Amino acid sequence: GAGVSQSPSNKVTEKGKDVELRCDPISGHTALYWYRQSLGQGLEFLIYFQGNSAPDKSGLPSDRFSAERTGGSVSTLTIQRTQQEDSAVYLCASSSQRGTQETQYFGPGTRLLVL
Amino acid sequence: AQSVSQHNHHVILSEAASLELGCNYSYGGTVNLFWYVQYPGQHLQLLLKYFSGDPLVKGIKGFEAEFIKSKFSFNLRKPSVQWSDTAEYFCAVLNTGGFKTIFGAGTRLFVKA
Repeated sequence: GAGVSQSPSNKVTEKGKDVELRCDPISGHTALYWYRQSLGQGLEFLIYFQGNSAPDKSGLPSDRFSAERTGGSVSTLTIQRTQQEDSAVYLCASSSQRGTQETQYFGPGTRLLVL
Repeated sequence: AQSVSQHNHHVILSEAASLELGCNYSYGGTVNLFWYVQYPGQHLQLLLKYFSGDPLVKGIKGFEAEFIKSKFSFNLRKPSVQWSDTAEYFCAVLNTGGFKTIFGAGTRLFVKA
């Protein structure tokens, strides 16, 4: 079946511009995560959505970052007034969140370069 | 705060060498433990996971990991690595009372042919 998809796969933008990154989770998965993977760094948690609950935004690095999830499915991560340090691979993952036996399924990522 | 430590950032091995990647976590309660792998140019994918029962877990491609509760560890092992095991390996922990999985910083493994 279809996995997690993300778009665009690559994005080059100028410092100060806004960008939107999209994630389509696996159908039926209620949990959705955004992570950031910088060169030489591990996965940095950004935000977590679970069903209709309020999202866990504790990982967002600044108020320039926001995310929404419409209809419990597609999610958009928005970065306003991008900075060069925002350059990274942004990964999305989804899971069925059945009990605590959660395996996350990752998308291919969006590689963001801020010039 | 809950954290996951992977002791080796880079590991270089020759084919047929044995592998052990360390992983320690800080949470004291009941946990679910995972190892994910990212092969060059591919998505992150699950390698193996522990939820309960036998603390020695076997995963794909001959990998195994042992959960040692007293040491808060979940080390990944493989008796004989192959060139195709070259990848980045991430340990992850989900505490069963929480909602988000915490990942370690990753270990880059390079296997020389």
